Amino acid sequence: ETGVTQSPTHLIKTRGQQVTLRCSSQSGHNTVSWYQQALGQGPQFIFQYYREEENGRGNFPPRFSGLQFPNYSSELNVNALELDDSALYLCASSTPTGVGEAFFGQGTRLTVV
Amino acid sequence: QKEVEQDPGPLSVPEGAIVSLNCTYSNSAFQYFMWYRQYSRKGPELLMYTYSSGNKEDGRFTAQVDKSSKYISLFIRDSQPSDSATYLCAMSANAGGTSYGKLTFGQGTILTVHP
Repeated sequence: ETGVTQSPTHLIKTRGQQVTLRCSSQSGHNTVSWYQQALGQGPQFIFQYYREEENGRGNFPPRFSGLQFPNYSSELNVNALELDDSALYLCASSTPTGVGEAFFGQGTRLTVV
Repeated sequence: QKEVEQDPGPLSVPEGAIVSLNCTYSNSAFQYFMWYRQYSRKGPELLMYTYSSGNKEDGRFTAQVDKSSKYISLFIRDSQPSDSATYLCAMSANAGGTSYGKLTFGQGTILTVHP
């Protein structure tokens, strides 16, 4: 088990609603990344937070946004949910230069109906 | 064309077999190569991490990187039923920090090891 925890584990939302997912990073890790994993696919990079600033974003629209807090925990917010947003959302924490040692949480399974 | 290609399988082998999993990639900037194992309904678990070309061994697992061919492999010796999972390759051009360490994943290969 890694020290990365995510909440909630499962969530069902209606199209058009907004959702907030939470992540607590592993002790000593101040870099948090978020990934979306559709069924049968590999995770896709959403964005990364370092020192409470977004310092990289993948090919996701602005309705995907995030925050990182002084204790390095993080939130992923998704507005105007679409059916295609149904996926497993993964949080990964690492040291600033430790991309090769990123540890993932168990994920939040989001279903949009 | 995807940056990272991985045969999704599924791959089914008998217990004790040697398993070979592979990924190819197109981005020559990739320098950091990882293999993750993902059990059903769980997050990915880091198995192996390699920087640049070469081999790395850890118990029953061996990772190989051939940057000249843009090809990476994971070998599992003496496979066990508990190895049944989805195996994901992942790569990054940067270590992280201000050059952020974005991981680019393959699709994943579903492996089943039957007794």
